[in-house]
Amino acid sequence: DAKTTQPTSMDCAEGRAANLPCNHSTISGNEYVYWYRQIHSQGPQYIIHGLKNNETNEMASLIITEDRKSSTLILPHATLRDTAVYYCIVRVGYGNKLVFGSGTILRVKS
Amino acid sequence: KAGVTQTPRYLIKTRGQQVTLSCSPISGHRSVSWYQQTPGQGLQFLFEYFSETQRNKGNFPGRFSGRQFSNSRSEMNVSTLELGDSALYLCASSRDRGTGELFFGEGSRLTVL
Repeated sequence: DAKTTQPTSMDCAEGRAANLPCNHSTISGNEYVYWYRQIHSQGPQYIIHGLKNNETNEMASLIITEDRKSSTLILPHATLRDTAVYYCIVRVGYGNKLVFGSGTILRVKS
Repeated sequence: KAGVTQTPRYLIKTRGQQVTLSCSPISGHRSVSWYQQTPGQGLQFLFEYFSETQRNKGNFPGRFSGRQFSNSRSEMNVSTLELGDSALYLCASSRDRGTGELFFGEGSRLTVL
């Protein structure tokens, strides 16, 4: 399985953009990058996914480098409610088996 | 629309007992996956069901099993419980197997004494 590497934790000021990096240097050409987050005591929540083009939805933007070896999740205006563990996942093959790593603890501070 | 519903939310069992956890997916979703979350191992994939068939299985012993019914509802069973089975068990549903976009329930927290 392709592995991902994320910083253990990050802080962000409320109202500022939160940029969460992820390295996935062994990713294969047809493997997608997914981002989920888990707020304390809740189940993980899907945020966004992409293959090679940048993606944007109502929650976030995903920037994938041209060589696809890394990506950045951007929360444009972080709020206190965005404090959570953020997981970067490379989905291997077909189906809904996701391999979660340790993730990044994002703390949004006022 | 209603989200993924898991029951029971909390339960306490003793070693050697067995437990059955239930998951009702979002209406229209046909894929159900199960994950175990512990402080030491994090989130780990247990199995995935689609059209009443197990499609994928994680690296767990045979004491962990599951099934899916024709209405897409799913159950998982853990037999001969061990202390290490104490965990949050999360169910996730998806419209099909191809999206990778999973909707998780709030989980069933199992404590084994």
